[in-house]
Amino acid sequence: DTAVSQTPKYLVTQMGNDKSIKCEQNLGHDTMYWYKQDSKKFLKIMFSYNNKELIINETVPNRFSPKSPDKAHLNLHINSLELGDSAVYFCASSLRGSSGETQYFGPGTRLLVL
Amino acid sequence: GQSLEQPSEVTAVEGAIVQINCTYQTSGFYGLSWYQQHDGGAPTFLSYNALDGLEETGRFSSFLSRSDSYGYLLLQELQMKDSASYFCAPHRDDKIIFGKGTRLHILP
Repeated sequence: DTAVSQTPKYLVTQMGNDKSIKCEQNLGHDTMYWYKQDSKKFLKIMFSYNNKELIINETVPNRFSPKSPDKAHLNLHINSLELGDSAVYFCASSLRGSSGETQYFGPGTRLLVL
Repeated sequence: GQSLEQPSEVTAVEGAIVQINCTYQTSGFYGLSWYQQHDGGAPTFLSYNALDGLEETGRFSSFLSRSDSYGYLLLQELQMKDSASYFCAPHRDDKIIFGKGTRLHILP
């Protein structure tokens, strides 16, 4: 069984479109995250949610809107896609979101905006 | 302020030993993790140091000096499958900081 899963794995779309990426974890964790990794491999946190509540919002443009329907799911909706949004987006989870915890990453969604 | 420094690339020979250094500066520091990421893959956890000293897990060891804001990852008996990016990841009270990682190339 996959611990953290994301769909889709690949997403190719035109500038200006709206798209969503879904994430699910079956680890029973309370905290989930979205990360963005650019073409230079720079991995940066975007959001974190603990039990459906937003904890971290790292000055991400408000075109990005995370939604957590329950603590096992954290989806990411992106409006008005721009070329600079092309990246790999990773979902991750950890047990409680406490310091020192291991984070478990999903396989990533490779987004290409044309 | 906040900073994280590790070499962008390191090359080593199969069977050898390599050390990847990391210096960091962040408020609310809790400990230091290392994650491995193969090309096309997801980051996966390797080790975590909450206290000063050396932690050993098989061929991999990780070291932390809190007073020097410094840590390193030591990989022994290098294998071709160790070719990957390695992220030094300081833990703050609210998040983990990842940065760009170190790309490790292994020569046969």
